[in-house]
Amino acid sequence: GQQLNQSPQSMFIQEGEDVSMNCTSSSIFNTWLWYKQEPGEGPVLLIALYKAGELTSNGRLTAQFGITRKDSFLNISASIPSDVGIYFCAGRLSGSARQLTFGSGTQLTVLP
Amino acid sequence: DSGVTQTPKHLITATGQRVTLRCSPRSGDLSVYWYQQSLDQGLQFLIQYYNGEERAKGNILERFSAQQFPDLHSELNLSSLELGDSALYFCASSPWEAGDEQFFGPGTRLTVL
Repeated sequence: GQQLNQSPQSMFIQEGEDVSMNCTSSSIFNTWLWYKQEPGEGPVLLIALYKAGELTSNGRLTAQFGITRKDSFLNISASIPSDVGIYFCAGRLSGSARQLTFGSGTQLTVLP
Repeated sequence: DSGVTQTPKHLITATGQRVTLRCSPRSGDLSVYWYQQSLDQGLQFLIQYYNGEERAKGNILERFSAQQFPDLHSELNLSSLELGDSALYFCASSPWEAGDEQFFGPGTRLTVL
């Protein structure tokens, strides 16, 4: 079953605003990833995080691997219309898990 | 463009039928993953193959099966289709057996009428 809680479920923001979304779990993860999915397309990898406390940027996007290894957040600065889409977090559970677990997604709408 | 290709892009069929979805991974990638994405749902992992062998299974129904061929392309077979099988099916690939960084194809939209 679903082991990642992603919030918020949806966001409506004005162009130029900053955005923050996060994923939390009661389980420990070894890896956190953030993907973006646009309508009619497959998810695209934005950022991958491999160490607790790691902070990584990709342009206007910044993501962090939580110190407890149970959470991660994604920030988008100075949003633009093309940021519209669904953002998914994903993680690999600590232990012998071979597959990624995905969050339920955050639907981002950027208003002009 | 991720380099992962999937065919067909759309598929419409009837209940009880069987379909095959095809995926070609990025050049050099040995792992292929299949996911199901239903309306308003996240991505549900179905199955993984690495270099031709099954490596991990998720929430895959017994009516579904997959294989990876020597040229590394993969097929997902869905049989005795039900209305609830209507969904987007994605294939992803990575170079490694335990690939965290997975690259997704554009998906196949399956509609079961």
